[in-house]
Amino acid sequence: AQSVTQLGSHVSVSEGALVLLRCNYSSSVPPYLFWYVQYPNQGLQLLLKYTSAATLVKGINGFEAEFKKSETSFHLTKPSAHMSDAAEYFCAVRGSGGSQGNLIFGKGTKLSVKP
Amino acid sequence: DADVTQTPRNRITKTGKRIMLECSQTKGHDRMYWYRQDPGLGLRLIYYSFDVKDINKGEISDGYSVSRQAQAKFSLSLESAIPNQTALYFCATEPQHFGDGTRLSIL
Repeated sequence: AQSVTQLGSHVSVSEGALVLLRCNYSSSVPPYLFWYVQYPNQGLQLLLKYTSAATLVKGINGFEAEFKKSETSFHLTKPSAHMSDAAEYFCAVRGSGGSQGNLIFGKGTKLSVKP
Repeated sequence: DADVTQTPRNRITKTGKRIMLECSQTKGHDRMYWYRQDPGLGLRLIYYSFDVKDINKGEISDGYSVSRQAQAKFSLSLESAIPNQTALYFCATEPQHFGDGTRLSIL
């Protein structure tokens, strides 16, 4: 069965510092992986997705993620944090059914950005 | 207009009441989903629908029911609300389009 583990429920960085949010997955089939961002009082917004093309995926707002099959990881990074990046981030994997499977979400990581 | 609209945005009600949360979409997507979000637990799937005649239970469907009135409308009902159904509820179409959520409190 597919599952997702996000390491660290809270991450705090200084403005301008590297952002690294960790996600490990378990999947019995080639995975489809996603990162979402949730700002306060809003729904989830897709940041980026991996669908078996390039292993380095670029998303919106300067974020990118690298699919590493050997490590079963899909960590999200951004070279320089902005105050506006403060939000909660969710990693997700498609469940059984391949590209048609439902999403299975991690428990989320709250990112704080200090001035 | 938002792609996915949820009403109400906030609701406080009492134990035992019947509640309906509504969702409408302008994307023309066949697939619609209802999720529940609890702090520290992420999002969990309640029900999903692939089209008007195809409705499926998700991970946590007990205590909930849904109705797909049209391609654009998918409502979630709590027949007899209980306090542990207090949560943030999201409707979505295809995974990329989420509503802004309904914050539901059951006293």
